[in-house]
Amino acid sequence: SAVISQKPSRDICQRGTSLTIQCQVDSQVTMMFWYRQQPGQSLTLIATANQGSEATYESGFVIDKFPISRPNLTFSTLTVSNMSPEDSSIYLCSVGLTNEKLFFGSGTQLSVL
Amino acid sequence: RKEVEQDPGPFNVPEGATVAFNCTYSNSASQSFFWYRQDCRKEPKLLMSVYSSGNEDGRFTAQLNRASQYISLLIRDSKLSDSATYLCVVNKGDTGRRALTFGSGTRLQVQP
Repeated sequence: SAVISQKPSRDICQRGTSLTIQCQVDSQVTMMFWYRQQPGQSLTLIATANQGSEATYESGFVIDKFPISRPNLTFSTLTVSNMSPEDSSIYLCSVGLTNEKLFFGSGTQLSVL
Repeated sequence: RKEVEQDPGPFNVPEGATVAFNCTYSNSASQSFFWYRQDCRKEPKLLMSVYSSGNEDGRFTAQLNRASQYISLLIRDSKLSDSATYLCVVNKGDTGRRALTFGSGTRLQVQP
């Protein structure tokens, strides 16, 4: 397994501002992913964070709104830019180990006013 | 049609009962299947993988039916601590893509 530290655990932000979420893993991992879980719903993949290259975004998510950094094999950030109330959600960092099993950070609960 | 579909429940069962959940998936190219458990306000945690030959781990049994494109989870002798949301997870099956698709979950409430 992997130990994943994600912060902040929660934040309340004003409309129009940006928030950067950090994800630190205790070992080097190739695959890191960012998910969103809106209230009462399941997880939706935002993007795959690739080390040394641009992130791969899923349909409906764009780099300008959700820029991602992956400077090394143990760390990634997700920024939620120009926030609106519709961005209120839980954001989860995850890492993929062998056989595609995912381990998750504890999540960031974001509320946008 | 959703890529992964689950009955949202809730399934309310007494302690000691046996309960089963099903999940259907639409992508016939999917190769990897999992059940995750998510407690309220917590992150999902891997419960078990689902293999073609079936998989058993204590009170939990997972089965895969490729022909009908569904997977199942059976919980025997339910405990109060089993109360959670159970997420069915299927890989996209795309070459080179190891991302997974999550179902919306089935909520289980075990009653004393």
